[in-house]
Amino acid sequence: QVQLVESGGGVVQPGRSLRLSCAASGITFDSSAMHWVRQAPGKGLEWVAVISFDGSTEYYADSVRGRFTISRDNSKNTQDLQMNNLRSDDTAVYYCAREYVESGWYHRAFDYWGPGTLVTVSS
Amino acid sequence: EIVLTQSPGTLSLSPGDRATLSCRASQSVLSRYLAWYQQKPGQAPRLLIYGVSSRATGIPDRFSGSGSGTDFTLTISRLEPEDFAVYYCQQYDSSPTWTFGQGTRVEVK
Repeated sequence: QVQLVESGGGVVQPGRSLRLSCAASGITFDSSAMHWVRQAPGKGLEWVAVISFDGSTEYYADSVRGRFTISRDNSKNTQDLQMNNLRSDDTAVYYCAREYVESGWYHRAFDYWGPGTLVTVSS
Repeated sequence: EIVLTQSPGTLSLSPGDRATLSCRASQSVLSRYLAWYQQKPGQAPRLLIYGVSSRATGIPDRFSGSGSGTDFTLTISRLEPEDFAVYYCQQYDSSPTWTFGQGTRVEVK
């Protein structure tokens, strides 16, 4: 079955860095565009970043552009999110999610999600 | 950036009732790219509807989506106990940007 499992969350001071990872199984990873979506405590969902199936293209939300970097390793079925210069408003559960693709058509929705990893930015 | 506004914020209903959730966009949305999710406490979201009205794999037919342009609706025809949750709409635009509505909570009356 499909599994996306995030790791790397924790407590970090403002201005510091953290790297999240997502390990995928049960999907054709190297054909999948992968995303990070976050959810602040008690709040709604916020899209963070996407990386294309081959890693050639990345896009970011305005709130993280220039501070976060998404990457992937198709040989290991993993994607990462390098988070630099963290701020208190980056505190959230970070979800790894796959973009739904069907017969080569990207539906721009997220069909598989990991359970999430909590990042707390606090001094 | 397209902003999605969901209403109502909270819907208080009983099992067996019909639920109608609204999602309004600040600009016209490409219809292929409007989706709905269900989220229960402590869980990741689950895709219910994509492309405005297509049900995701395994989603019961009591869930249906409709709409176009700036106004979209998720309807749950008869609420089951497991349907009480928070629901989010989500759209994609060509920036590219993915945005979510703020959510509607469906609670037991």
